[in-house]
Amino acid sequence: DSGVTQTPKHLITATGQRVTLRCSPRSGDLSVYWYQQSLDQGLQFLIQYYNGEERAKGNILERFSAQQFPDLHSELNLSSLELGDSALYFCASSVAGGENIQYFGAGTRLSVL
Amino acid sequence: QKEVEQDPGPLSVPEGAIVSLNCTYSNSAFQYFMWYRQYSRKGPELLMYTYSSGNKEDGRFTAQVDKSSKYISLFIRDSQPSDSATYLCAMRDYMEYGNKLVFGAGTILRVKS
Repeated sequence: DSGVTQTPKHLITATGQRVTLRCSPRSGDLSVYWYQQSLDQGLQFLIQYYNGEERAKGNILERFSAQQFPDLHSELNLSSLELGDSALYFCASSVAGGENIQYFGAGTRLSVL
Repeated sequence: QKEVEQDPGPLSVPEGAIVSLNCTYSNSAFQYFMWYRQYSRKGPELLMYTYSSGNKEDGRFTAQVDKSSKYISLFIRDSQPSDSATYLCAMRDYMEYGNKLVFGAGTILRVKS
């Protein structure tokens, strides 16, 4: 168990809908990262938050947004869902500074029908 | 061309064999090199990480980095059926205010008993 908690484990929804994925980082970790894993693209970085502030952004679609709350948990919001958004979404967390190694949660499997 | 190249396999070996997994990369700015193991539909699990060129050993696992050749390897000695998984190499890329991991495509390993 990495200590990173993601809910829900699996989401099934329809095209055009909006969903929210939740992540609780390891105790003491200030950084949260979101990644998308699909069969054709592999694991791709979406966005990083550090202590409530956005720090880095990858190829995240405008339909996707994220935030990190004062208690350090993070949410990834996906809207106007398309079939191609079906993927595994992973959250990772790391401490501030030092080796900054990222530990991953078990992921949320999103199925858009 | 992808920043990180990794042969997707599958690589099939008999139990007890020595396994060699490899990645090449093109961005000389990458720092920290990691190997994650991912079982089917689970989150990536950190196996090893290293910063400098050379070897790092942990039990049956040895990580090797050659920064001059932009080449990293993971060796697994005395492979076991429980080692059957997808192995992902990852490299840290620093961005203006944050950082991200850039992953290889992952190599599927099957250890036959």
